[in-house]
Amino acid sequence: AQSVTQLGSHVSVSEGALVLLRCNYSSSVPPYLFWYVQYPNQGLQLLLKYTSAATLVKGINGFEAEFKKSETSFHLTKPSAHMSDAAEYFCAVIPNFGNEKLTFGTGTRLTIIP
Amino acid sequence: DAGVIQSPRHEVTEMGQEVTLRCKPISGHNSLFWYRQTMMRGLELLIYFNNNVPIDDSGMPEDRFSAKMPNASFSTLKIQPSEPRDSAVYFCASRDRGLNTEAFFGQGTRLTVV
Repeated sequence: AQSVTQLGSHVSVSEGALVLLRCNYSSSVPPYLFWYVQYPNQGLQLLLKYTSAATLVKGINGFEAEFKKSETSFHLTKPSAHMSDAAEYFCAVIPNFGNEKLTFGTGTRLTIIP
Repeated sequence: DAGVIQSPRHEVTEMGQEVTLRCKPISGHNSLFWYRQTMMRGLELLIYFNNNVPIDDSGMPEDRFSAKMPNASFSTLKIQPSEPRDSAVYFCASRDRGLNTEAFFGQGTRLTVV
């Protein structure tokens, strides 16, 4: 079954430092990939999505992600962390064939150190 | 559009009682998803519908859980009888047709079974 793996359930970075959250997918056919953010006591909100139009995808709040087929990865980055970035981040996948089942990774909780 | 609307936002019930969670998807969206989120298991897909038809219910934990989508603007998730281990946040999400479209989430229903 199509899935994504998020390495690191918790990541801490200093304010102003680079944010890197990792996501790898399991498929020989590149799927559709998404990054969502969840703030406390809220639903999930889309940050960005990969739809094969471009390998470098820019999203909201200064986040971007690069699709690398050779590494089956779709890591999320932000050059300079803000306190407001503290949240949980989820990578998600829809396979590029058959059903439209949207499956999420286990999530990475991002903490920003002042 | 008001987005995906879930009700109630909070539900506290006694073990053994029937619980019904409700969801109104975004108008025009043809897919609807029910997810359960817990600290231990993360975000689990329970069931999803396409054009009001259940496509994949493999995530429904047991027969105590059932979901319906009688029309394009309404879905329910029912637990009967409820158990303390069902305590979680339940999210509903909807998306438009097409593999590269993102899902929009409701605010969730926090269920506590005592």
